[in-house]
Amino acid sequence: EAGVAQSPRYKIIEKRQSVAFWCNPISGHATLYWYQQILGQGPKLLIQFQNNGVVDDSQLPKDRFSAERLKGVDSTLKIQPAKLEDSAVYLCASSLGRRQGNYGYTFGSGTRLTVV
Amino acid sequence: SQKIEQNSEALNIQEGKTATLTCNYTNYSPAYLQWYRQDPGRGPVFLLLIRENEKEKRKERLKVTFDTTLKQSLFHITASQPADSATYLCALERDSSASKIIFGSGTRLSIRP
Repeated sequence: EAGVAQSPRYKIIEKRQSVAFWCNPISGHATLYWYQQILGQGPKLLIQFQNNGVVDDSQLPKDRFSAERLKGVDSTLKIQPAKLEDSAVYLCASSLGRRQGNYGYTFGSGTRLTVV
Repeated sequence: SQKIEQNSEALNIQEGKTATLTCNYTNYSPAYLQWYRQDPGRGPVFLLLIRENEKEKRKERLKVTFDTTLKQSLFHITASQPADSATYLCALERDSSASKIIFGSGTRLSIRP
């Protein structure tokens, strides 16, 4: 089966500019997650979708970050305006949901964002 | 606050030996514990999941233990190979209809020939 697709792979922007990341999860996976991974740290959850509804966005800096999942499939994460501390890898993951079984999450390769 | 701690230092192991990685947590009651492998420039790859009522789980050369009293999981790779060199992440998950996982910072494992 195809994996989780993310684009772009790399992005360099100046602070105060805007940027958007795209994710296409595995077909049939109802749950989609966006994680932020700063160098040397574990991934930190930003937002979780169940189909096209937001389940958890408690750690999303809503003054500058936004995300949507139209039609319960693809998702877009946007940062506007970007700050230097937003430099990180942004990972998208999808899952079937725990009630479907003891499956892990499937992650994309991520987008490496550098804010200069 | 919730805290997940993994081996703070990188682990260097001789090929053929058993590598043991540690994951400790506080202020959290996970129903499931997962282990992931992450290679440079790649996303984490799921390895194993163990439930709170399971003591041990195995998959090929991998073994995971889960002690909810000690609040600790151990991850073992037997007969280690240089190809096992990577960062290994521990992740905790509650029993919830809206399950989400929180990650430790990972342990970098190097297997020398």
